[in-house]
Amino acid sequence: GENVEQHPSTLSVQEGDSAVIKCTYSDSASNYFPWYKQELGKGPQLIIDIRSNVGEKKDQRIAVTLNKTAKHFSLHITETQPEDSAVYFCAARTTGGGNKLTFGTGTQLKVEL
Amino acid sequence: NAGVTQTPKFRVLKTGQSMTLLCAQDMNHEYMYWYRQDPGMGLRLIHYSVGEGTTAKGEVPDGYNVSRLKKQNFLLGLESAAPSQTSVYFCASSYFSGQGANEQYFGPGTRLTVT
Repeated sequence: GENVEQHPSTLSVQEGDSAVIKCTYSDSASNYFPWYKQELGKGPQLIIDIRSNVGEKKDQRIAVTLNKTAKHFSLHITETQPEDSAVYFCAARTTGGGNKLTFGTGTQLKVEL
Repeated sequence: NAGVTQTPKFRVLKTGQSMTLLCAQDMNHEYMYWYRQDPGMGLRLIHYSVGEGTTAKGEVPDGYNVSRLKKQNFLLGLESAAPSQTSVYFCASSYFSGQGANEQYFGPGTRLTVT
């Protein structure tokens, strides 16, 4: 089955700096890669996603890049703000139907003033 | 729209007790999922359903059962709770689309402690 590895597990940046979180996946047939943000005490919420026919996608301060050959994808947050502090999860859609996702182990991002 | 709701929000069980977690969605989604979230392990799929009356096993199904009698509801049961089932449980739902993958919408979670 699919295996998704995520690094780093914790990340601390100064407000205004950029943050990068990286994930690798094992199944070359995976074709959908979402990123979720989870605030304390809440459920994960989708912030951006990318499909395998696209190399990069941007949404304001957030961008995701995908390298299918190397089987890795990354989340980039620019001009970080305190409200960006949360746990971020990457995921890959697994094969076999059901729109199933395999998640990474999460990155705790802390944006310091 | 309430989106995905979960009942209860918190529960404490003794070893061997049983309980049912309820998930409801009002988005007319075909697919529904149950995950558990443990520190350092991300979200792991327990069971899922691709439509009313159907269920399938995920990555960690042992010790859990599910039912989807109505399209909008997905129930997760623990017949004989064990301390290893202490976790935060999330329900999610998504559309079916012939064009590929779709966003999963998550509920707020149920924190379960088994003593």
